[in-house]
Amino acid sequence: DAMVIQNPRYQVTQFGKPVTLSCSQTLNHNVMYWYQQKSSQAPKLLFHYYDKDFNNEADTPDNFQSRRPNTSFCFLDIRSPGLGDAAMYLCATSRGGYEQYFGPGTRLTVT
Amino acid sequence: AQTVTQSQPEMSVQEAETVTLSCTYDTSESNYYLFWYKQPPSRQMILVIRQEAYKQQNATENRFSVNFQKAAKSFSLKISDSQLGDTAMYFCAFLPYNNNDMRFGAGTRLTVKP
Repeated sequence: DAMVIQNPRYQVTQFGKPVTLSCSQTLNHNVMYWYQQKSSQAPKLLFHYYDKDFNNEADTPDNFQSRRPNTSFCFLDIRSPGLGDAAMYLCATSRGGYEQYFGPGTRLTVT
Repeated sequence: AQTVTQSQPEMSVQEAETVTLSCTYDTSESNYYLFWYKQPPSRQMILVIRQEAYKQQNATENRFSVNFQKAAKSFSLKISDSQLGDTAMYFCAFLPYNNNDMRFGAGTRLTVKP
């Protein structure tokens, strides 16, 4: 089945220690998104790639970076995680301008 | 900028009953999509139903249907014959045509009671 896969599902990192979350897709969608979702809140868009073009949301902290080496993979790098960065991180994909398909998420804990 | 409002933070319904979740939005766009997404506890967000703004007919997917009122900028979700598996957060979302910036409402937590 075509799908969006996120690894790991659970990640524990120490305060200030860089961490990378990964997302892959078999849908061959040209757009990939990263969202941050805190408990019982709506997902908050961090950035997205339209093909190779990177689009950052204005209020996304510089601490968050992303890489998309090819169509299938996208990474979220958190350079110096703080306690406030503990959240669920959702990856989503779409054909440009259409509905998004979400992965299962990575729950990040910062100790 | 587009905004999406879900005015019901929490709702509950008895199994087999019908429930309606409300959503309103604000936009100056004339062409757009509207969606309802379901996020069960600790599980993946999935698309429940989509509506294209130019279509007057309300979308239906099995037990799920919408009441789309374009002039009123209203997009409610009706769940018929509610099942325990319908317990989830439901998010209303807005997407302008030819745009990748989807806007979510704050969500409605629905509990289906046996």
